[in-house]
Amino acid sequence: GENVEQHPSTLSVQEGDSAVIKCTYSDSASNYFPWYKQELGKRPQLIIDIRSNVGEKKDQRIAVTLNKTAKHFSLHITETQPEDSAVYFCAASRGVTGGGNKLTFGTGTQLKVEL
Amino acid sequence: GAVVSQHPSRVICKSGTSVKIECRSLDFQATTMFWYRQFPKQSLMLMATSNEGSKATYEQGVEKDKFLINHASLTLSTLTVTSAHPEDSSFYICSAGRVGGGEAFFGQGTRLTVV
Repeated sequence: GENVEQHPSTLSVQEGDSAVIKCTYSDSASNYFPWYKQELGKRPQLIIDIRSNVGEKKDQRIAVTLNKTAKHFSLHITETQPEDSAVYFCAASRGVTGGGNKLTFGTGTQLKVEL
Repeated sequence: GAVVSQHPSRVICKSGTSVKIECRSLDFQATTMFWYRQFPKQSLMLMATSNEGSKATYEQGVEKDKFLINHASLTLSTLTVTSAHPEDSSFYICSAGRVGGGEAFFGQGTRLTVV
C-alpha cells in the first residue's frame, strides 16, 4: 500500500518568513496530492491540492510543487502569519471510481509562526 | 464546497458499551465514504472504506467485528464501536467525495472517550 513520509515534524518560523514542508510517497499510481491544515480538535481543511499531471500550483501565499519522478511534493507558505500556526498534513491518493479519495496521510508538521 | 455532517461531536461512554457515529453527506450523494481515526498528536489513519449497499472494506489491523460500518443509503454511513474499551478513545472522522474523485470533504469529527 501507499506510504507517505513528511518532514519536518515541527517547524518554527518568524512572522513574514517562508515555510516549506516536504513529503514523499511510495505508490507511483497515486495521482492526487492534497494538503490539509488542522487546528486542534477540528476537521482537516483543504488548503491546496495538485494532480499528477501538473508540476506546480499556486494560490496566493500557498504553493505546492510535485516531482513525479522522485515521488515527492512540497508545500510552500510565504509571508507567514500567526494564524498560519497549525498542524499541516500532506496526503496521497489514487482516487476511487465511486467518488471521493482514499487518502494516505503523512505524519504531520506542527507549524508555529512566532511574532 | 460540499457538506459532510458527523454526529455526535463528543461522546463519553462506559467500557463495554457500544457507540454509534453517523456521517451524512448533506448536498450530494456518496457511494463511498471513509472512516479515519486520529490519536492525540498523530496523523489520520484510515480504518475502512464504507460502500453503499455492500460490505465495508477494512484496513489491515482493524477489527471488522469491533468497528461495524453500515452504509445503508447514498447519504449516510454509520460507524458503531462495539464493546468499547479505554484504548478506543480517539477522534473519529469521516470523509466523502463526489463521483469522479477530487476533494474529500470531512465531517466535524467525533471525540470518543471511553471511561
